[in-house]
Amino acid sequence: QVQLVESGGGVVQPGGSLRLSCAASGFTFSSYGMHWVRQAPGKGLEWVAFIRYDGSNKYYADSVKGRFTISRDNSKNTLYLQMNSLRAEDTAVYYCAKDLWGYDWDAFDIWGQGTMVTVSS
Amino acid sequence: SYVLTQPPSVSVAPGQTARITCGGNNIGSKSVHWYQQKPGQAPVLVVYDDSDRPSGIPERFSGSNSGNTATLTISRVEAGDEADYYCQVWDSSSDHPYVFGTGTKVTVL
Repeated sequence: QVQLVESGGGVVQPGGSLRLSCAASGFTFSSYGMHWVRQAPGKGLEWVAFIRYDGSNKYYADSVKGRFTISRDNSKNTLYLQMNSLRAEDTAVYYCAKDLWGYDWDAFDIWGQGTMVTVSS
Repeated sequence: SYVLTQPPSVSVAPGQTARITCGGNNIGSKSVHWYQQKPGQAPVLVVYDDSDRPSGIPERFSGSNSGNTATLTISRVEAGDEADYYCQVWDSSSDHPYVFGTGTKVTVL
């Protein structure tokens, strides 16, 4: 079945780095754009980053631009989020999500279970 | 950047109809998607492209979009519909184009 599984979350000190992974299965990963979306404790959903199916285009939320980098390895069916210069306000559950059809304007039809990132000293 | 505004909460009795609004400037010109999120779970897509339903989503969930307001309607509400609901659009004019609404907590009385 179609599945996304995140990993790599944990506790990190302010200013530190972390790399999240999202392993995809059950669909042709290389044909779909992918997103990272986060949710701070008790808060709403915040879109973080997008990468096109072939990696040719990337977008970032202003809150993470210059600190986070989205990438993908289509040979490994895996999406990544490199997070540097982490701040307390980056504390959240991070979800990866798949485009519905493969277009930039798509809905996000499949979500992972999320991985928790806590930035604290 | 583009802003989507939702009411913080909506309360509805079982069997009645819940309507959740999503306001945005000329939102009727955009495709609106809706997600349901239950506590401790990942979001689930319930309506895409204003009014289409993914497979497995009951017909009780429907959507509309016109002018400055999009609406998610849940007919014959059940206890299991109690959740947070988020609207989302793609703003092609922005370099950070994916926007979520503020979210609405639906409470089944």
